[in-house]
Amino acid sequence: EAGVAQSPRYKIIEKRQSVAFWCNPISGHATLYWYQQILGQGPKLLIQFQNNGVVDDSQLPKDRFSAERLKGVDSTLKIQPAKLEDSAVYLCASSRTGRTEAFFGQGTRLTVV
Amino acid sequence: AQSVTQLGSHVSVSEGALVLLRCNYSSSVPPYLFWYVQYPNQGLQLLLKYTTGATLVKGINGFEAEFKKSETSFHLTKPSAHMSDAAEYFCAVSDSVSAGKSTFGDGTTLTVKP
Repeated sequence: EAGVAQSPRYKIIEKRQSVAFWCNPISGHATLYWYQQILGQGPKLLIQFQNNGVVDDSQLPKDRFSAERLKGVDSTLKIQPAKLEDSAVYLCASSRTGRTEAFFGQGTRLTVV
Repeated sequence: AQSVTQLGSHVSVSEGALVLLRCNYSSSVPPYLFWYVQYPNQGLQLLLKYTTGATLVKGINGFEAEFKKSETSFHLTKPSAHMSDAAEYFCAVSDSVSAGKSTFGDGTTLTVKP
């Protein structure tokens, strides 16, 4: 089966610009996660969706980050405006409802200059 | 709240030597524990997981880990390192309520010397 697809793979923007990332989860996976991985650290959960509803967005900086999952399939994560400290790899992951592990995409590496 | 501590951000072993990557966790409920591997410019790949049952779990590529509740540890081992094992390894914990939503450690970079 196809894995989690993410695009773009790399993005360089200037601070205060906006950027959007796209994720297509594994078919049939109702749960979708966005993680932020800063260099030298482990992934940190930003938001969790169950179908098209938000389960947990407690660690999402809502003043600048937003995410949506229309129709319970694809998801987009947006940053507006970007800050230097947003430079990181943004990982999307998905899992079947009730299952214990998530499957990760290759990530989008964002550099804010 | 849950947390994970990976002891040693960098571990270097010789090819053929034992690999031991340390992970300690904190959880107020019975944990689910995971080890992931990440190769450069790649996503995370699950190596193995512990949910319930047997405390010694075997994963892919010859890795295994033992859940020790009394020590709150879940160390990853492999009897004989291979050059292809060089990567970054992450330990993660979740709970049964939000299975799949994990708290990760900061990772251990494994270097394998020829």
